[in-house]
Amino acid sequence: DAKTTQPNSMESNEEEPVHLPCNHSTISGTDYIHWYRQLPSQGPEYVIHGLTSNVNNRMASLAIAEDRKSSTLILHRATLRDAAVYYCILRARNTGGFKTIFGAGTRLFVKA
Amino acid sequence: DAGITQSPRYKITETGRQVTLMCHQTWSHSYMFWYRQDLGHGLRLIYYSAAADITDKGEVPDGYVVSRSKTENFPLTLESATRSQTSVYFCASSEIVSNSPLHFGNGTRLTVT
Repeated sequence: DAKTTQPNSMESNEEEPVHLPCNHSTISGTDYIHWYRQLPSQGPEYVIHGLTSNVNNRMASLAIAEDRKSSTLILHRATLRDAAVYYCILRARNTGGFKTIFGAGTRLFVKA
Repeated sequence: DAGITQSPRYKITETGRQVTLMCHQTWSHSYMFWYRQDLGHGLRLIYYSAAADITDKGEVPDGYVVSRSKTENFPLTLESATRSQTSVYFCASSEIVSNSPLHFGNGTRLTVT
C-alpha cells in the first residue's frame, strides 16, 4: 500500500494561511489524494481530494506537485475552529480493494 | 436522515466478555470500514468490506470478527474483550470508486476493565 508522510505537528496564527504538506513518493498513477480532518472528540471528516490538478472547495485548496509525489493542503485563513488533526491518505483500487490506510496525521495548533 | 450511525456511543465491559459494536449506513455505499483510534494516535484499520458477504483484514484484525449480511450494516464483534482493546472505534463507508470520500460515524468509546 502506498504510504504518506506528514509532519507530526504545525502551528499557525489565526487569520493567516496554513500550508500542510504531505509526501507520497510511492504514489501510483491511479491513486487519488484525499485529505481529512478530525476535530477533538469527533470522527474524521472529508476535506478535499484530487488526482493531478489543483482543487478548490469551500473548506480548502489542494495543491498537487507536478510529479504527484507530494501535495499541500492550504487553509486560506486559519481560524481557531481549524485546530484539528489533518490526515493525508491515498485511495486506489488494488488487489485488496480500497484498503484505505491512515497515517498519524498532522496536528494543527492555531494561536489567537 | 441519511448518514452513518454507530451504537452504542459509550460501552464499558469486562475482560473476557463478548461485545458487538454496531454500524449502520443509509447511503447504500459498497465499502465499509472499521478503525480503532487509541489515545493520541492515528486511525488503524481493523477490517473492511467491499460488499455484503465480502470482508477482508486490515492492519490490526486480531481479536475482532466482522460480518456483513446486509449492505447497510457492518457489526464489529470482540469475541473475548481484552484491556488492550480499550479504544475509540470508528466506522466509515464509501462508494466503490477511488475518488469517493469516506464518511465516518461519531465513534464508539469502548472501555474494557
